[in-house]
Amino acid sequence: GAVVSQHPSRVICKSGTSVKIECRSLDFQATTMFWYRQFPKKSLMLMATSNEGSKATYEQGVEKDKFLINHASLTLSTLTVTSAHPEDSSFYICSAQGIPSTDTQYFGPGTRLTVL
Amino acid sequence: SQQGEEDPQALSIQEGENATMNCSYKTSINNLQWYRQNSGRGLVHLILIRSNEREKHSGRLRVTLDTSKKSSSLLITASRAADTASYFCATDAKKSSGDKLTFGTGTRLAVRP
Repeated sequence: GAVVSQHPSRVICKSGTSVKIECRSLDFQATTMFWYRQFPKKSLMLMATSNEGSKATYEQGVEKDKFLINHASLTLSTLTVTSAHPEDSSFYICSAQGIPSTDTQYFGPGTRLTVL
Repeated sequence: SQQGEEDPQALSIQEGENATMNCSYKTSINNLQWYRQNSGRGLVHLILIRSNEREKHSGRLRVTLDTSKKSSSLLITASRAADTASYFCATDAKKSSGDKLTFGTGTRLAVRP
């Protein structure tokens, strides 16, 4: 089956620093990648959609200058949380969709970000 | 944006019993998907049912879809302790840049050994 990895799985950083999270599709080409945020015991909230080689589309209320998304290749997307603050602490999950199946999103294992 | 509502929010059953979770949504869909999430982990895709389908099976899973009522149900038969997880429904919203999924609120299932 389609496998999506995320790195790191867990990160703790100081307030004001930037953190980069990688999302990789390991055995398929991801034409579209999605980034979600999830608070404890809550559902996933879509932050942005990115297509390979083009700018990401952000959901309403998500600051694009704070959450920088790059989808430079068909197997890699990155989310950079710039100048992180404690309120950015959350569980960030990416998903990938592409060839051969365009109906199903395959999710990464998530990254737990804690900002002190 | 549409928001799926799931009920119950939490469900505790004995191993061997069946578990039923329901999902309601607000707008027209192309398909509905069910995902499972173990605590602190990513999501695992369970099953996809298209808007022109009414029922689908996969192993111990049975999903129904009633587009007239804008609802779906997930039935897990002969539950096991390993089925303990949160279960989410997700509906799609077609857009030119790819399919967006809108997730329901989730049902936390606990299966007691």
